[in-house]
Amino acid sequence: QKEVEQDPGPLSVPEGAIVSLNCTYSNSAFQYFMWYRQYSRKGPELLMYTYSSGNKEDGRFTAQVDKSSKYISLFIRDSQPSDSATYLCAMRNAGGTSYGKLTFGQGTILTVHP
Amino acid sequence: DVKVTQSSRYLVKRTGEKVFLECVQDMDHENMFWYRQDPGLGLRLIYFSYDVKMKEKGDIPEGYSVSREKKERFSLILESASTNQTSMYLCASTKRGQPQHFGDGTRLSIL
Repeated sequence: QKEVEQDPGPLSVPEGAIVSLNCTYSNSAFQYFMWYRQYSRKGPELLMYTYSSGNKEDGRFTAQVDKSSKYISLFIRDSQPSDSATYLCAMRNAGGTSYGKLTFGQGTILTVHP
Repeated sequence: DVKVTQSSRYLVKRTGEKVFLECVQDMDHENMFWYRQDPGLGLRLIYFSYDVKMKEKGDIPEGYSVSREKKERFSLILESASTNQTSMYLCASTKRGQPQHFGDGTRLSIL
């Protein structure tokens, strides 16, 4: 079983829809949680960075962490065709010896059609 | 803004060649990473470095080596390229306690 599970999709939604992307994980030592967006032929870019449980909002994006359920989500409101990309969840330990090493989900391919 | 620059966007090499992929970051980050990304397999960590001349193996180091002679530069070396090393290679860097920032990747084809 993988440490981080993410449904690869693909997910196709109409413009304006609310999108929900999710990851589950098994390692209770994970403390920092990230969402990256990756456009075709580009590197991943950081969207959201959260510590421990709770919600964080940035514009149309909301990241949610539920450590008790080992479950994280990314919500996109009023989705746009420009949101079409692969979304990667990532997480890491808090310990100094981890050197910032991340464990990634497989990525979910999202298409928002006009 | 963090800038991670990978020297080539696309590269075509032949089997058996020694291949060098270069990565430079301009934010004085201690930690640097090399990943490969393949469809259905996600990002897999090859090697990382937490200081100049320091390196540690990731999950799939076989067939690769790395070099970090200066803090800003981290090189990935394919000692003898093989067709199963055809992939997208991504470099990332981070300062302690911060998230990783990625370059735009090198799409490497081994013929």
